Amino acid sequence: DAKTTQPPSMDCAEGRAANLPCNHSTISGNEYVYWYRQIHSQGPQYIIHGLKNNETNEMASLIITEDRKSSTLILPHATLRDTAVYYCIVRLYSGGGADGLTFGKGTHLIIQP
Amino acid sequence: EPEVTQTPSHQVTQMGQEVILRCVPISNHLYFYWYRQILGQKVEFLVSFYNNEISEKSEIFDDQFSVERPDGSNFTLKIRSTKLEDSAMYFCASSPDSVRTDTQYFGPGTRLTVL
Repeated sequence: DAKTTQPPSMDCAEGRAANLPCNHSTISGNEYVYWYRQIHSQGPQYIIHGLKNNETNEMASLIITEDRKSSTLILPHATLRDTAVYYCIVRLYSGGGADGLTFGKGTHLIIQP
Repeated sequence: EPEVTQTPSHQVTQMGQEVILRCVPISNHLYFYWYRQILGQKVEFLVSFYNNEISEKSEIFDDQFSVERPDGSNFTLKIRSTKLEDSAMYFCASSPDSVRTDTQYFGPGTRLTVL
């Protein structure tokens, strides 16, 4: 799996958009970008994933640069409950497979009231 | 919404004792996983399980660890002779057997404390 680089921490005001960057300059053509988050020692929670097109779901949007060397997770209207550690993971898609996830240190996002 | 459950939420044991951590994956999922997280450190993959056998395991998953699906609903992690360094949160996860998704759904974790 390609290596990712994320800032260790970020602050965002409640109600504003939180933009979390991730660098993955060694990503290969068939590797996807996944985002999970972990709220204070709870189990990690899947957020979104994408290959090269921008993706949006009910939780967030994922913007992947054209060269795929970086991406941004956007939480459009951050709430206090979005305070968590956010993990960017680059890996091969394993639909129908059992590959383990490799977590880094992630970004600790703190939403300020 | 279906979810992964784990019991107990907190387990305290003496060094050298055996512990069994239990998980009930989401009912129609066929891939099962164990991860651990030592306090203040990263979440680490231990093992994945499919079709009643280990699919993948990490270097952490040595001979003191074993996994089992004893019936149609439970998935267990056994640590034979616990060490102080086994103290951690242990997370179970499951994912469906589908080419359309590989999302892993995590349980709330079991906090294991080895004294």
